[in-house]
Amino acid sequence: GEDVEQSLFLSVREGDSSVINCTYTDSSSTYLYWYKQEPGAGLQLLTYIFSNMDMKQDQRLTVLLNKKDKHLSLRIADTQTGDSAIYFCAVTGGGVSGGYNKLIFGAGTRLAVHP
Amino acid sequence: DGGITQSPKYLFRKEGQNVTLSCEQNLNHDAMYWYRQDPGQGLRLIYYSQIVNDFQKGDIAEGYSVSREKKESFPLTVTSAQKNPTAFYLCASSMGRPNGYNEQFFGPGTRLTVL
Repeated sequence: GEDVEQSLFLSVREGDSSVINCTYTDSSSTYLYWYKQEPGAGLQLLTYIFSNMDMKQDQRLTVLLNKKDKHLSLRIADTQTGDSAIYFCAVTGGGVSGGYNKLIFGAGTRLAVHP
Repeated sequence: DGGITQSPKYLFRKEGQNVTLSCEQNLNHDAMYWYRQDPGQGLRLIYYSQIVNDFQKGDIAEGYSVSREKKESFPLTVTSAQKNPTAFYLCASSMGRPNGYNEQFFGPGTRLTVL
């Protein structure tokens, strides 16, 4: 079935850029999402990209999509301590009856920002 | 304020007892989902529902049951048949557009501990 992989940890210095990577297997994924989870909380959507785009920028966030390599990345510019959280990549896949697409989540990358 | 709520935030259960987790949304979403989150793992889909009075098993449905009698509500029962129920449970909802943008909105989660 569909698989989504992420590295588990990333540590960066405050003010540097963070790059979180994700690879997936289902080339038919139409939407790809990045979610953020703070400790003990639910997930909140950070940004998403449609599969016919290569790049999307939203303030400090830049999403890059390489469809050929099935690789998605999230770049956070000027990383702050408030960015410390777990970041999940999710892709549409494993379509269900009626056409509604499930989301397949990666294991999450824990980002630690230090002074 | 539109949103999705889960209660309780923390739940303790003795082995052999069934327990029901509540999930309510006022976003007028058709689709609702239950996920289980364990440390170092991504979200695993337990059950989902695309419409009232209909629900489908996800990847790890054994030992769980759900109902969808109202659009706003999708309670999850963790039965005594679930071998390892201690986990963080997340409920989500989405508009459920077929083959389209299908952002899932998450509740704050319920942490279940079996004593």
